[in-house]
Amino acid sequence: AQSVTQLGSHVSVSEGALVLLRCNYSSSVPPYLFWYVQYPNQGLQLLLKYTSAATLVKGINGFEAEFKKSETSFHLTKPSAHMSDAAEYFCAVSGTGGYQKVTFGTGTKLQVIP
Amino acid sequence: DTEVTQTPKHLVMGMTNKKSLKCEQHMGHRAMYWYKQKAKKPPELMFVYSYEKLSINESVPSRFSPECPNSSLLNLHLHALQPEDSALYLCASSLRTANKETQYFGPGTRLLVL
Repeated sequence: AQSVTQLGSHVSVSEGALVLLRCNYSSSVPPYLFWYVQYPNQGLQLLLKYTSAATLVKGINGFEAEFKKSETSFHLTKPSAHMSDAAEYFCAVSGTGGYQKVTFGTGTKLQVIP
Repeated sequence: DTEVTQTPKHLVMGMTNKKSLKCEQHMGHRAMYWYKQKAKKPPELMFVYSYEKLSINESVPSRFSPECPNSSLLNLHLHALQPEDSALYLCASSLRTANKETQYFGPGTRLLVL
C-alpha cells in the first residue's frame, strides 16, 4: 500500500527565510507524488507534481521539490518565504490500485512570521 | 483552463432537509470525485465516477447520493444528514481514472448541518 508521512504538523518561518516542508513516501511501485496547497476556506490547489521525468520539480509560486529515491523523500522548498505562503500544505501519492487512488498526508500548516 | 467550479460555496441545512451540491468542469475530464474534508484533516475520498458511471463508493452512508448526469457535471444529493456530516465537500476531476493522473480540485462547499 502507498502512503505519505509529513513531518511536522506546524512549521513557522520568518518572512524571507527558507521554507522546508518534509514528506516521506512509501510505495511498492514508482510513485507519482504531488504537493497541494490549501488556503483558509478554499479548495486544494496543485503546487507541483513528480512524474519520474525529472527529480527536481519546479512548481508555482516559487516552490520546488526534489524526489530522492534513496531517502524515499519529496520535500517541498522555497528559498524565501512570503506572507502569502501561509497555508496548509498536503503531500500526496498516487501509484497503485485499480483506480485513481490518491493518498494524502496529514498536512503541514505553514505560518510566516513578519 | 484547469478550473473546477462548485456551488453553493456555503450551505446550512437541517437534519430533515434535502439539498444538492453541484460540481462542474469543462476540461474534458472523464473522471470526477467527491471528497469530504473535516477541519484540520486531509481530504477523504467518498465517490469516484468514471465515464459517468459510479466506479467507487468508499462505504459512504446512503444519506449521500451522487449523480453524474453528463461528462461535465457531478452532483451530490443530501438527505437526512447528521451534524457530524458538517465538513468541506470537495469535488475533483482528472482526465481518466488511470493511475497517476493529476486531480484538479474545486473550491469546495462548506456544509453545516444543524
